[in-house]
Amino acid sequence: QKEVEQNSGPLSVPEGAIASLNCTYSDRGSQSFFWYRQYSGKSPELIMFIYSNGDKEDGRFTAQLNKASQYVSLLIRDSQPSDSATYLCAVNVYGNNRLAFGKGNQVVVIP
Amino acid sequence: KAGVTQTPRYLIKTRGQQVTLSCSPISGHRSVSWYQQTPGQGLQFLFEYFSETQRNKGNFPGRFSGRQFSNSRSEMNVSTLELGDSALYLCASSLVGVLSTEAFFGQGTRLTVV
Repeated sequence: QKEVEQNSGPLSVPEGAIASLNCTYSDRGSQSFFWYRQYSGKSPELIMFIYSNGDKEDGRFTAQLNKASQYVSLLIRDSQPSDSATYLCAVNVYGNNRLAFGKGNQVVVIP
Repeated sequence: KAGVTQTPRYLIKTRGQQVTLSCSPISGHRSVSWYQQTPGQGLQFLFEYFSETQRNKGNFPGRFSGRQFSNSRSEMNVSTLELGDSALYLCASSLVGVLSTEAFFGQGTRLTVV
């Protein structure tokens, strides 16, 4: 079983719509959850982090965490062409100071 | 506030050579992690240093090594380079580690082995 799974294929959304990304993780002891955005040819940029169950909002981004279901999601409201990127879900591995990453989801916002 | 700085940005090396990459973390951050990113495997953890001590190591061969200095700057070394080592090497800096604080990445070093 993979540590972090992001199963959705490329996501195309019209400008102004909501993009929804999902991520599941296998380690029940994980405590920290992160979303990174990576533009092509660039390094990952931290956009959201969440430590507690529930929702966390920051601007147009909302992260949702459900530890019972081992599920993390990211919503991007009012999607803009500049949101077109690959979004990486990362989870800390219990007992280790390391992050396990999903393979990422590519988002394309269509003007 | 300066971000994470990695040098060099690009490297081309020949098989069998060795290479050293450098990472300067955000001021005040004491944890430095290294990751390898390839199209096929995604981001994979190499190792993590905190206060000059390696706390964690990923599943990479012994050809991959690292160290951290007293000013928290870190270097990683890859000896006897193989074609498969071609990748983007990323350094991430965090205050005390990802168990409780966020990690920020540098621009990366793109290594090409020919």
